[in-house]
Amino acid sequence: GNSVTQMEGPVTLSEEAFLTINCTYTATGYPSLFWYVQYPGEGLQLLLKATKADDKGSNKGFEATYRKETTSFHLEKGSVQVSDSAVYFCALSDRWNNNDMRFGAGTRLTVKP
Amino acid sequence: GAGVSQSPSNKVTEKGKDVELRCDPISGHTALYWYRQSLGQGLEFLIYFQGNSAPDKSGLPSDRFSAERTGGSVSTLTIQRTQQEDSAVYLCASSLEMGAAGLEGTGELFFGEGSRLTVL
Repeated sequence: GNSVTQMEGPVTLSEEAFLTINCTYTATGYPSLFWYVQYPGEGLQLLLKATKADDKGSNKGFEATYRKETTSFHLEKGSVQVSDSAVYFCALSDRWNNNDMRFGAGTRLTVKP
Repeated sequence: GAGVSQSPSNKVTEKGKDVELRCDPISGHTALYWYRQSLGQGLEFLIYFQGNSAPDKSGLPSDRFSAERTGGSVSTLTIQRTQQEDSAVYLCASSLEMGAAGLEGTGELFFGEGSRLTVL
């Protein structure tokens, strides 16, 4: 079945450091890929998405490129801020399979001043 | 309200009791999802509704778990004879876009704040 595997945390970085959170997926169809973020004390919210191969999703300085050849959707940010501290979830939606949405285990990021 | 509303926000119960968790999705959203988030774990898919029907119940952990959705709106997740391992945050999400073959769809889910269940 469909699944998402993302890099385990926690990840601790200093402010202005470069961030990469790895995500790979397994899917039988043509999934859309997402990154969701959960800030402390808040619900999950969409950060960015890509619906087909080679698409790049971007938002708030974060980027991720849908790589079909490596089945990956790694999250990157060039310069993190303290306010980026949160849990990040990679997710896959298979619209060929009842729009089934699957999530990775989540990666907790802490950014220190 | 404007967002997905879940109740109760916090529930403490004794082992063996039944509990009901409620989700009120965003008005007009056709798809509704239940997930479970245990401490230190990711999001575990439980069940998904398209309208009032559930095409995929494969994530329900046991027959103690059931869910229904009425009027294409409110959904209730029921856990019978609760066990300590049921302790978790139960998240509900809704989506406007309904994926189908050949359609793009955004697939974006809108999440509620969750219901934290503690089974003593």
